[in-house]
Amino acid sequence: GAVVSQHPSRVICKSGTSVKIECRSLDFQATTMFWYRQFPKQSLMLMATSNEGSKATYEQGVEKDKFLINHASLTLSTLTVTSAHPEDSSFYICSARGLAGGPVQETQYFGPGTRLLVL
Amino acid sequence: GENVEQHPSTLSVQEGDSAVIKCTYSDSASNYFPWYKQELGKGPQLIIDIRSNVGEKKDQRIAVTLNKTAKHFSLHITETQPEDSAVYFCAAHPGGYQKVTFGTGTKLQVIP
Repeated sequence: GAVVSQHPSRVICKSGTSVKIECRSLDFQATTMFWYRQFPKQSLMLMATSNEGSKATYEQGVEKDKFLINHASLTLSTLTVTSAHPEDSSFYICSARGLAGGPVQETQYFGPGTRLLVL
Repeated sequence: GENVEQHPSTLSVQEGDSAVIKCTYSDSASNYFPWYKQELGKGPQLIIDIRSNVGEKKDQRIAVTLNKTAKHFSLHITETQPEDSAVYFCAAHPGGYQKVTFGTGTKLQVIP
């Protein structure tokens, strides 16, 4: 099946530093990748959608200058949390969707998530 | 936009019993309905999906039904086991490259 990896799985950083999270589709090409944030006992909150080679589309209320998204290839997207603060502590999950007509088509496959703790 | 409602928010069943989770959607253009299982501290995993041209789909102990007219779909888990304990999310997709809308999740607890 389609596999999506995320790295790191967890990260602890000091307030004011930047953190980069990588998301890779391992066995399929992902034209679109999504970044979600999840608070404890809550559903998935879509932060942004990125298409390979173009700028990300951010959801309302998500600061694009704080959450930088790059989708440089069909298998890699990165989320950088800039100048992180304790309120940015959360579980971040990426998701990848395959090419039209491909084996995974519009199905979204999720990574294992990254637990971010900002001290 | 699409709105997906999911019920119940929590569900406890005895091991061996069946569990049913229900979702409704609002956009009649939605034509793809995946279900995800999320274990604690992990990302959601696709467990089954159904497309609008099918009324029911089954995979071992898991089945999904879809009623397009009523705009609702359900997940059925039979012979539940403790490892089925997790949070389950339904989702509705309008097709093409539009966004998927997720339900609010159901925490299923299977009591041994």
